[in-house]
Amino acid sequence: EVQLVESGGGLVQPGGSLRLSCVASGFTFSDRYMDWVRQAPGKGLEWVGRIRDKANTGSTEYAASVKGRFTILRDDLKNSLYLQMNSLKTEDTAVYYCARSSSDWLDVVDYLGQGTLVTVSS
Amino acid sequence: DIQMTQSPSAMSASVGDRVTITCRASQGISNHLTWFQQRPGKVPERLIYAASSLQSGVPSRFSGSGSGTEFTLTISSLQPEDFATYYCLQHYTYPLTFGGGTKVEIK
Repeated sequence: EVQLVESGGGLVQPGGSLRLSCVASGFTFSDRYMDWVRQAPGKGLEWVGRIRDKANTGSTEYAASVKGRFTILRDDLKNSLYLQMNSLKTEDTAVYYCARSSSDWLDVVDYLGQGTLVTVSS
Repeated sequence: DIQMTQSPSAMSASVGDRVTITCRASQGISNHLTWFQQRPGKVPERLIYAASSLQSGVPSRFSGSGSGTEFTLTISSLQPEDFATYYCLQHYTYPLTFGGGTKVEIK
């Protein structure tokens, strides 16, 4: 069974930093692209970014709204995905989901974790 | 960026109704489109991928069609558990972009 468990959310002041984690199980994590998706309270879904698997360079892509402030990392030995968030803004307040994807462009975001809430407020 | 426009943004329907939701892309995306269902307070779940392929475990009353710029999600006979918000996602190019959502409410 595919499981994605996020942690690390909480309350942070504007301009602050936070690191989210996602531990994966039930599949071969190292073979997968992984995404972060967020949802502001009462709003729709927004794609945050992606990290490719090492066989496809392990490189990253980001939404314009977070580029230069957020960094996606992975540790395949720990089956873990991370989202390092710096220079946080109030508009970054959202539930953050990690999501499994693949290198097949037709097969993306097939599972999402339960999410972790990030609140940016003074 | 590719803009995804869903219509309607909200609708009321009765159990047993046939429901159709549309998603339009601002440029062609071939069949690189996925549909999600999000029940209130729950995590989004994938229903349809590659525009028309049914996710394993999803009831056959759900179907997807379309290619290029216009796509539809159809629920052939609405069930009580189908009252939810539905989102489309294009994954043809970066950044991936979601539609604004369609909330299906009970009439």
